[in-house]
Amino acid sequence: AQSVSQHNHHVILSEAASLELGCNYSYGGTVNLFWYVQYPGQHLQLLLKYFSGDPLVKGIKGFEAEFIKSKFSFNLRKPSVQWSDTAEYFCAVTGRRALTFGSGTRLQVQP
Amino acid sequence: SAVISQKPSRDICQRGTSLTIQCQVDSQVTMMFWYRQQPGQSLTLIATANQGSEATYESGFVIDKFPISRPNLTFSTLTVSNMSPEDSSIYLCSSARELSTDTQYFGPGTRLTVL
Repeated sequence: AQSVSQHNHHVILSEAASLELGCNYSYGGTVNLFWYVQYPGQHLQLLLKYFSGDPLVKGIKGFEAEFIKSKFSFNLRKPSVQWSDTAEYFCAVTGRRALTFGSGTRLQVQP
Repeated sequence: SAVISQKPSRDICQRGTSLTIQCQVDSQVTMMFWYRQQPGQSLTLIATANQGSEATYESGFVIDKFPISRPNLTFSTLTVSNMSPEDSSIYLCSSARELSTDTQYFGPGTRLTVL
């Protein structure tokens, strides 16, 4: 079975601070990894994805994530957050089944 | 990327009634999925609906409570039957052409409140 753990449930940062959100997955085979974002009052949007190739993937709005196979991790990073990054962030994994989501991390950026 | 719409966007229902949620995708897709997002929680998969076959339900979800139809490659419905306040959630539709190479896209969700 596939599963995802997000260790940070609620993160509060000031604008311009750096961000790293942790994500670990459990699955015995080849995985595809995703980060989705849900802005307040909006629906779920794809932030970035990893299928294969370069383990450092870049997404929209300056976000990036690094797939480290040996650590079963896919952490999300952004060097300098903005107030508009306030949202809920979900890590998700799929192997041969539909997406399994982590519990989510609520990011609050203070101006 | 697929564009997915859902109807209704929100509804308030009485206990014991049923609600059918419609999901429309702007292109033909093999796989459609229904998720539930309870207040303050993450997304939980209810079932996978592939055209031409019976829906596959996840543990804890049954067809009598959440019957699903998938009449063609662009449309699906989820019915929430005999509702109780515990069914108050956001219900999301998702689609993908193929899991190993495609991204799952999501609809805007249906916010259901059961009184």
